[in-house]
Amino acid sequence: EPEVTQTPSHQVTQMGQEVILRCVPISNHLYFYWYRQILGQKVEFLVSFYNNEISEKSEIFDDQFSVERPDGSNFTLKIRSTKLEDSAMYFCASSAGGHSNQPQHFGDGTRLSIL
Amino acid sequence: DAKTTQPNSMESNEEEPVHLPCNHSTISGTDYIHWYRQLPSQGPEYVIHGLTSNVNNRMASLAIAEDRKSSTLILHRATLRDAAVYYCIPHSNTGNQFYFGTGTSLTVIP
Repeated sequence: EPEVTQTPSHQVTQMGQEVILRCVPISNHLYFYWYRQILGQKVEFLVSFYNNEISEKSEIFDDQFSVERPDGSNFTLKIRSTKLEDSAMYFCASSAGGHSNQPQHFGDGTRLSIL
Repeated sequence: DAKTTQPNSMESNEEEPVHLPCNHSTISGTDYIHWYRQLPSQGPEYVIHGLTSNVNNRMASLAIAEDRKSSTLILHRATLRDAAVYYCIPHSNTGNQFYFGTGTSLTVIP
């Protein structure tokens, strides 16, 4: 069964450094998402991406964050200058469509630890 | 999106059926009801979704109340691998994002 894959599984970075989290969505999917989950808290939406542009973003997704689909397969989340509070699990997801009947399929996440 | 209410935790004996309830009284007419689960140290996993009719797949069944203000996820025979947090998520067409609540933490007792 096709799946969303994320790399790396764990990233440790010094505060203030840039970090790029990578995702390979399911191949025929058109909508891509990033969520995050701080330890012990809810899964929170960050951004959705369709047709090479951001379609929706949350308040968390400020100017320090950016997303890109650099080629036909990868989808990346960049945090320009990391802060301690960016430490979390980051989940990528994809869906075939944007309608409410379309499930989103999630990867197993990247654990980001900011020192 | 509609607010949901789920029990914080539930227990089930292995190989017995489990009924996980969810109230979503403010759901709108076009919102699909999605269920996801999250095993420890993993991403959310899609389980099932439906609009009005009851739905079955290889993982579970979804029973939706006639007024759509509540639904129940049914695991027919719980296994140890079903121990997870289960999320009920009404999803509208007005946005792409899924709103995850705190879910129900299911413990399966051998």
